[in-house]
Amino acid sequence: GAVVSQHPSRVICKSGTSVKIECRSLDFQATTMFWYRQFPKQSLMLMATSNEGSKATYEQGVEKDKFLINHASLTLSTLTVTSAHPEDSSFYICSADTAGPNYEQYFGPGTRLTVT
Amino acid sequence: QKEVEQDPGPLSVPEGAIVSLNCTYSNSAFQYFMWYRQYSRKGPELLMYTYSSGNKEDGRFTAQVDKSSKYISLFIRDSQPSDSATYLCAGSATGGGADGLTFGKGTHLIIQP
Repeated sequence: GAVVSQHPSRVICKSGTSVKIECRSLDFQATTMFWYRQFPKQSLMLMATSNEGSKATYEQGVEKDKFLINHASLTLSTLTVTSAHPEDSSFYICSADTAGPNYEQYFGPGTRLTVT
Repeated sequence: QKEVEQDPGPLSVPEGAIVSLNCTYSNSAFQYFMWYRQYSRKGPELLMYTYSSGNKEDGRFTAQVDKSSKYISLFIRDSQPSDSATYLCAGSATGGGADGLTFGKGTHLIIQP
């Protein structure tokens, strides 16, 4: 149980284009999903908290107009990187909270974004 | 000062050894502590979670939290080559998914056959 999927697993796009990444909780409903970014040999950095039916909460320094988050249902959150630039190249990982009695976040497999 | 500090390693030990992984944190509000295992180019996998101070054991893994010293540890007994991965510690102030996690950089562990 508690499986989180992401799509695509890898994407290469040209500078200036937009890319959408999907995060799905496959066997549970997730009121809250989180988006992280991980640069090589660096820690996961929280970008934003996504709540179903409401606007996402962004961490300081994360541009909300550049990283659009939509939590359309209890099983789906999307991250759109708009007008991508090479510095946006990174590993993007989502997680979902099971809302169970124990505090457990399960992570997706990640999406490798390369902007050329 | 980073909120969660973790030695990136690499830490190399022979198969069968007991592995000790450690983190320190600075945020006194942290109540929940987790250990994740991450293989190369994969998403993190939850290994252990603990609430407040104390020990928790699950199979070959034991997690310890000492809130008085802001120190968290993960012990792996009878280490196997398949345990070779990056281990990330994380803390959070609230439960129930109210906030995200603050991660350390991760420790790269190598178990030598």
